Amino acid sequence: NAGVTQTPKFRVLKTGQSMTLLCAQDMNHEYMYWYRQDPGMGLRLIHYSVGEGTTAKGEVPDGYNVSRLKKQNFLLGLESAAPSQTSVYFCASSYVTQPQHFGDGTRLSIL
Amino acid sequence: DQQVKQNSPSLSVQEGRISILNCDYTNSMFDYFLWYKKYPAEGPTFLISISSIKDKNEDGRFTVFLNKSAKHLSLHIVPSQPGDSAVYFCAAKASGSRLTFGEGTQLTVNP
Repeated sequence: NAGVTQTPKFRVLKTGQSMTLLCAQDMNHEYMYWYRQDPGMGLRLIHYSVGEGTTAKGEVPDGYNVSRLKKQNFLLGLESAAPSQTSVYFCASSYVTQPQHFGDGTRLSIL
Repeated sequence: DQQVKQNSPSLSVQEGRISILNCDYTNSMFDYFLWYKKYPAEGPTFLISISSIKDKNEDGRFTVFLNKSAKHLSLHIVPSQPGDSAVYFCAAKASGSRLTFGEGTQLTVNP
C-alpha cells in the first residue's frame, strides 16, 4: 500500500518554464490537497479537491492550476514558473472527516 | 494574518524528560486541532488530534491539552526519545473549512 505518491521528487526549472506535479493516492480518498512549505511559514494550501472533477482555491492559489480528472490523481501545474514558487510541495489526501495523509514532497527550485 | 502560531521555532530536551510543544490560535471558530510530525525529506504524518469538546486526549506517550479560553494547545511527549526528534506542526480547522497550519517547531531530543 503506497499511500500518497508524488512525482517527481526534485526538479529545477528556469523562470518562465512550465511543469506539472503529479499526485497519486491508492486509499480511495475523496479529498485531495496541494500545499507548499516555505521556511518559517508552515504549510499553506494552494488548491484542493473534494471529489473527482472538482477543484477549489486555497490560501495561495495564484500562479497555479490543478486538475482532478480521476479520483486517485491530483495534478498541480505551473504555467510560467517564477522564482517565488521555489518551495517544497506536498500533496495530501483524506476522507471527509479524517486526518490528511501526506506524500513525501517535491522539492522545486526555479532559477 | 497568522491564525495558528507556534512561537518556538526550536526546542531541545534530554532523553527521558518531558517535551512540551505549544501552539496558540486566534480564530474562536476552530473546533478541531491536530498535531503532525515531520522527519526530513518525508511528508508530515498525523500524530494526535483533539476536538473542542474535550480538553485532553492521550495516546501512549503523547498527550494533547486544549485550553479554549486561552486559545492555546500543547503537546506533551513523555518520556522523550531520540526518535522523536522532528518538526512538529499544529493545525486547526473550523467546521466546513480548510486546515490551517502553524509554522512548526523543531524538537531535538538529546541522548
